Amino acid sequence: DTGVSQDPRHKITKRGQNVTFRCDPISEHNRLYWYRQTLGQGPEFLTYFQNEAQLEKSRLLSDRFSAERPKGSFSTLEIQRTEQGDSAMYLCASSLLTPRETQYFGPGTRLLVL
Amino acid sequence: TQLLEQSPQFLSIQEGENLTVYCNSSSVFSSLQWYRQEPGEGPVLLVTVVTGGEVKKLKRLTFQFGDARKDSSLHITAAQPGDTGLYLCAVQGAGSYQLTFGKGTKLSVIP
Repeated sequence: DTGVSQDPRHKITKRGQNVTFRCDPISEHNRLYWYRQTLGQGPEFLTYFQNEAQLEKSRLLSDRFSAERPKGSFSTLEIQRTEQGDSAMYLCASSLLTPRETQYFGPGTRLLVL
Repeated sequence: TQLLEQSPQFLSIQEGENLTVYCNSSSVFSSLQWYRQEPGEGPVLLVTVVTGGEVKKLKRLTFQFGDARKDSSLHITAAQPGDTGLYLCAVQGAGSYQLTFGKGTKLSVIP
């Protein structure tokens, strides 16, 4: 296990369809984060988990978005009824619970909604 | 209003030149991180600065945290094409583990 992995790397979908992304964190990392990055912007926080508990959600996370981490390992991010404004890079990061934690990012899933 | 203002937004230089990019805020931070992101990839942590006035070096990259811990700079000496990428600064919120990023500086080093 050499890093955070995300699947798929690219996704093209039509407006109104549902999509699901998967993130596999670094083994034994108990924190997992989702961020969204649009063109010309830095990543923006969406939500984070500590083990299986979702502890914080951004206002960016509308009710069409849902994230899970059922066994405290991998996580999924689902977007229902996609809109063109959902087109972005979705990044996952993981970290260990330490006083000065470092978040390690995956390669991201690039979503294009037509 | 952006919490972190990065400048310049874009920078295109010739190989071998030196450059400095900036990350500024009106807020005080306990620490600040610099990341580099290549196209189609996630950000990779370069350094964390913690103490006001701190200077850290990573090969040809020199990072400085302002004395008041409100700003930071990244200086690259003798830039190489491999330095091309998006340079992001980020801070962790008080009482929160989420990272807040600036918009980044997009650097292109032309051979």
